Amino acid sequence: QLQLQESGPGLVKPSETLSLTCTVSGGSISSSSYYWGWIRQPPGKGLEWIGSIYYSGSTYYNPSLKSRVTISVDTSKNQFSLKLSSVTAADTAVYYCARLRPVFPDYWGQGTLVTVSS
Amino acid sequence: DIVMTQSPDSLAVSLGERATINCKSSQSVLYSSNNKNYLAWYQQKPGQPPKLLIYWASTRESGVPDRFSGSGSGTDFTLTISSLQAEDVAVYYCQQYYSTLELTFGGGTKVEIK
Repeated sequence: QLQLQESGPGLVKPSETLSLTCTVSGGSISSSSYYWGWIRQPPGKGLEWIGSIYYSGSTYYNPSLKSRVTISVDTSKNQFSLKLSSVTAADTAVYYCARLRPVFPDYWGQGTLVTVSS
Repeated sequence: DIVMTQSPDSLAVSLGERATINCKSSQSVLYSSNNKNYLAWYQQKPGQPPKLLIYWASTRESGVPDRFSGSGSGTDFTLTISSLQAEDVAVYYCQQYYSTLELTFGGGTKVEIK
């Protein structure tokens, strides 16, 4: 059974960089059938796609976040990562990693709450 | 970008009754070359990640009860729960994947028991 697990700091200071990693188990991140992505959800609000990556390293980013986002993949560790720079309180959210088939999420991690606060 | 608008924002339905959720896209998500609508539906229960229910607008994901169905084409779509069960209380989201450069979700519809 495929499982995805987000990890990283739950508290980030304003203007700093948010960094999260998603570890995939029960399947290979190098599968040619899927993309892997990050989606976030501010408390009490809806879902926002952040970006997606293929195992080869090809990426797509949300245009509204593109200048601050970097998504990378480490196939040797079966992981992919998110970096979001210059964060503000508006970036406070539950961050989910997900498998995309290949452009709609079909498996999601449980999510991790990241709070931006000094 | 393609904007997804859901209605209503919330609805209360009696157990066993039908629940209908609407989703409208700002432009067509029907890909003419394969005649497929690039639209999915998700269910999110409190404290849980979203769960895929429907893709290609009407294809039910494996394991999803057949009381859930999706319909529509082009810009107008509907998710129907034919006979609401207590475990269906959740927020439901539509998502377009026609624009792979920018995936977008609807604002969500909260379904409660009347």
